[in-house]
Amino acid sequence: DGGITQSPKYLFRKEGQNVTLSCEQNLNHDAMYWYRQDPGQGLRLIYYSQIVNDFQKGDIAEGYSVSREKKESFPLTVTSAQKNPTAFYLCASSIATGGLGEAFFGQGTRLTVV
Amino acid sequence: SQQGEEDPQALSIQEGENATMNCSYKTSINNLQWYRQNSGRGLVHLILIRSNEREKHSGRLRVTLDTSKKSSSLLITASRAADTASYFCARRRGQGAQKLVFGQGTRLTINP
Repeated sequence: DGGITQSPKYLFRKEGQNVTLSCEQNLNHDAMYWYRQDPGQGLRLIYYSQIVNDFQKGDIAEGYSVSREKKESFPLTVTSAQKNPTAFYLCASSIATGGLGEAFFGQGTRLTVV
Repeated sequence: SQQGEEDPQALSIQEGENATMNCSYKTSINNLQWYRQNSGRGLVHLILIRSNEREKHSGRLRVTLDTSKKSSSLLITASRAADTASYFCARRRGQGAQKLVFGQGTRLTINP
């Protein structure tokens, strides 16, 4: 089945630790995105990538890092520099057609700092 | 809001009634998209309306777009309890329309 998979579903982090959230898609999509969602809020764009080995900062990139070494994978690292990392993280992918194309989402990773 | 505004933030209606949600935005678009999110889950695409379209239908969903007012609305007719979810509008912006940004969403509750 084609789709986008995020793992793990739940993640606990101690203060000062870096953690990496996984996002894999087998939809052959060029574009991938990471969003953060706080309780009762909308989605805020962290990073996005339109092509392998290239990515751009979104609106709230500070304290986060990404890589795009393979078309299928777009992992997000939440670094210790992110002061309030507890949130729901969503990964998405779409075809890159300069403005068209719906986004397909994973089921999210809920990150909690303990 | 840089993404746009949706209103109302929350809407509670009785099953069988129609639900209308609105989305406003600030800059020009080439299309606008609507998504649904069940609690604690990922988003699911509902419908895309292009800037040269004024209205689009999909089952019980009707989306309108008024580019002169920079606004869109999503109408769900004959609502069901299963329609309870959050609904978001989204648009692309930035160079090459690469950034996909979302509004704050409307939390819809359908009461049986």
